[in-house]
Amino acid sequence: GQQVMQIPQYQHVQEGEDFTTYCNSSTTLSNIQWYKQRPGGHPVFLIQLVKSGEVKKQKRLTFQFGEAKKNSSLHITATQTTDVGTYFCAGSSGTYKYIFGTGTRLKVLA
Amino acid sequence: NAGVTQTPKFQVLKTGQSMTLQCAQDMNHEYMSWYRQDPGMGLRLIHYSVGAGITDQGEVPNGYNVSRSTTEDFPLRLLSAAPSQTSVYFCASGQRQGYQPQHFGDGTRLSIL
Repeated sequence: GQQVMQIPQYQHVQEGEDFTTYCNSSTTLSNIQWYKQRPGGHPVFLIQLVKSGEVKKQKRLTFQFGEAKKNSSLHITATQTTDVGTYFCAGSSGTYKYIFGTGTRLKVLA
Repeated sequence: NAGVTQTPKFQVLKTGQSMTLQCAQDMNHEYMSWYRQDPGMGLRLIHYSVGAGITDQGEVPNGYNVSRSTTEDFPLRLLSAAPSQTSVYFCASGQRQGYQPQHFGDGTRLSIL
């Protein structure tokens, strides 16, 4: 079955440093979504990528979808303490069945 | 709008007991899903539905039943609770047309002794 892996599992950065998490699917995806979950909270939608090679930006966050539509990345520039949380990717092969990645837990040290 | 409402927020069960986790949404979303999240892990899809009367299995469906008699409600039933089902359960909903984001409820924290 479809599997979605994310690396790294944990990342500690100093405030102001950059952060990147990578997502890899075992199958070609029709679309990929990114979510952020704060400690004790629920996942909150960040963005969706649909097109091969697509790049989207949200302020300090840059999202990329691979050319083969099997991988994606989230890059945060100049992290802030408000960026703390776990970032998940969720991929679908077009069946409305979303498989979540294992997540990357980000800690930002002030 | 209340969004996605899950009840109860916390529940403790004994092994072998059954119970139903409730999920309701007021956004007229066709798509609804149930996930479980174990400590330090990602979300695993249990069951999902693309509309009333339609359900399908996710990654980890064993031990759980669902039904979708209305657009608003998508209850998750544990048939005979086992300690391995101790987890946080999230319900989510979204528009079916196109690829739409999922809106999550606050979760139900379930412990099975």
